[in-house]
Amino acid sequence: NAGVTQTPKFRVLKTGQSMTLLCAQDMNHEYMYWYRQDPGMGLRLIHYSVGEGTTAKGEVPDGYNVSRLKKQNFLLGLESAAPSQTSVYFCASSPDRHLTQYFGPGTRLTVL
Amino acid sequence: KNEVEQSPQNLTAQEGEFITINCSYSVGISALHWLQQHPGGGIVSLFMLSSGKKKHGRLIATINIQEKHSSLHITASHPRDSAVYICAVRANTGNQFYFGTGTSLTVIP
Repeated sequence: NAGVTQTPKFRVLKTGQSMTLLCAQDMNHEYMYWYRQDPGMGLRLIHYSVGEGTTAKGEVPDGYNVSRLKKQNFLLGLESAAPSQTSVYFCASSPDRHLTQYFGPGTRLTVL
Repeated sequence: KNEVEQSPQNLTAQEGEFITINCSYSVGISALHWLQQHPGGGIVSLFMLSSGKKKHGRLIATINIQEKHSSLHITASHPRDSAVYICAVRANTGNQFYFGTGTSLTVIP
């Protein structure tokens, strides 16, 4: 049981480049989340999904897109990266909205 | 304005000391979570509370819904408790989570 995994662990992009972060969970959880963590700020919700084929905006969705084509995977896309998107990105999953979230190890993204 | 405020921001303790970290929130909630973030960055959920008190080994979490306040206590602290402790609340409408900025704890041998 791997839990929640994230790919890649580190990435450096140039402004304007695009990339996709992959989150995978093997716990059959319905809910999945993407957060960003910046120095001096708490985790902030970017987008979330309440089940396969569904996505919804969180607190800071601008500049990001997501897809949940398969229940176990939640993809976060940056179409045109900006330096303001330099951050550590965490994925999490939970069985339903009332229960504990399980976090991935994080992806450190730098946009130059 | 932050929906979740934690205090203190930083805390240094001697091994064996009793530690308290506080969390206040301003929104109506369905649940409050305490998370632990290790120096390597990984985040682990410690507790989820909607009322009362929970205990896990040397860790105790309490919540007072009327006062919108929660505390995390660590008894007989140990250097391996050194981490950032994060308070998070799930709002009782929608699926929004709000996170505190964390309390950085260092326990000195």
